[in-house]
Amino acid sequence: AQSVTQLGSHVSVSEGALVLLRCNYSSSVPPYLFWYVQYPNQGLQLLLKYTSAATLVKGINGFEAEFKKSETSFHLTKPSAHMRDAAEYFCAVRMDSSYKLIFGSGTRLLVRP
Amino acid sequence: DTGVSQDPRHKITKRGQNVTFRCDPISEHNRLYWYRQTLGQGPEFLTYFQNEAQLEKSRLLSDRFSAERPKGSFSTLEIQRTEQGDSAMYLCASSQPQGAVGYTFGSGTRLTVV
Repeated sequence: AQSVTQLGSHVSVSEGALVLLRCNYSSSVPPYLFWYVQYPNQGLQLLLKYTSAATLVKGINGFEAEFKKSETSFHLTKPSAHMRDAAEYFCAVRMDSSYKLIFGSGTRLLVRP
Repeated sequence: DTGVSQDPRHKITKRGQNVTFRCDPISEHNRLYWYRQTLGQGPEFLTYFQNEAQLEKSRLLSDRFSAERPKGSFSTLEIQRTEQGDSAMYLCASSQPQGAVGYTFGSGTRLTVV
């Protein structure tokens, strides 16, 4: 069965510092992988997705993620955090043969001035 | 296209009452999903429609829950005899059938059962 693990329910960084949010997946075959962002009382917005075309994926708002099959990881990074990046971030996985997105439990990013 | 719309944004109801939520997906999306999100958790899958056919229901969806998509366009999610444990954000999403696409989510309906 597929699953997603997000290490760290809360991550705190200073403004301008590197952002690293961790995601590991469990799947017998390479899945589709997604990162979503959720602002308070909002739905989820797609940041980026991995579809097997390229292992380094660039998304919106300066975020990127690298698919590493050997580590079954899809960590999200941003070189320099902004205050507006403070939000909850969710990693999700979907198999090609399935329609269902399986979400991790989320990581809340706090950005200190 | 205005994206996925959900109505209402917030609903407060007394325990035991019935509530109904509506979702209008992106018009060209034939797949529609309902998820539930409780505080501090990721969204959990509830049910899925392809056009008007409901193809899967999660075990999370008790007999008090029913979802419809009568003409393959908008969808409704009804909860009968609400319980305090039903308090959550109910998210609707839609997608095209191609394999690599993600979902487009609505802003959700926050239900509070008092």
